[in-house]
Amino acid sequence: EPEVTQTPSHQVTQMGQEVILRCVPISNHLYFYWYRQILGQKVEFLVSFYNNEISEKSEIFDDQFSVERPDGSNFTLKIRSTKLEDSAMYFCASPPGAGGLIGDEQFFGPGTRLTVL
Amino acid sequence: QKEVEQNSGPLSVPEGAIASLNCTYSDRVSQSFFWYRQYSGKSPELIMSIYSNGDKEDGRFTAQLNKASQYVSLLIRDSQPSDSATYLCAVNIGQGAQKLVFGQGTRLTINP
Repeated sequence: EPEVTQTPSHQVTQMGQEVILRCVPISNHLYFYWYRQILGQKVEFLVSFYNNEISEKSEIFDDQFSVERPDGSNFTLKIRSTKLEDSAMYFCASPPGAGGLIGDEQFFGPGTRLTVL
Repeated sequence: QKEVEQNSGPLSVPEGAIASLNCTYSDRVSQSFFWYRQYSGKSPELIMSIYSNGDKEDGRFTAQLNKASQYVSLLIRDSQPSDSATYLCAVNIGQGAQKLVFGQGTRLTINP
């Protein structure tokens, strides 16, 4: 099972501040997904990213959100101006290897708990 | 209609018994189905994937898929207290779609 790590494990921020969440794959993954889980609720898809481009995004992923792969390894999710309702666990997921097959298994990182005060 | 539905539970099963978890989905063209286990405060952990009608067994776990009924289930045999967790059903919704759509999860408690 491929490993995906995420940093930080916990981020506390003030409303209106920008946060950057990081996902670091162990091997050369090409496909990445971001999901979030508000406490007590289901896991929700945010965005998928392939070859340095967004391939699909949900209605949650509005203009406050962006993703990029700044250095070819780290994969970041940025929230420009955080709101109270952005408080959630944010998970990065990736299929093994190059991925791209329909029905790829997705392995989740440990998550970042974002708390917006 | 919700895309992926699960009974939220809690489901309580005695140790050593079979736990049965169920999931229905709305999109008939979905091709890929997954069961994840999530311990409190942790990330989802993939335990089973199934793509074809019928049963798929892996150790104490058996996934069952019935595309005609749009139904997927997970059986856990010889349940152990360590199996106590929330079990998430996830589906690739739509042909060619890569994203996963999750159910709300079923909380399972195994009683010693």
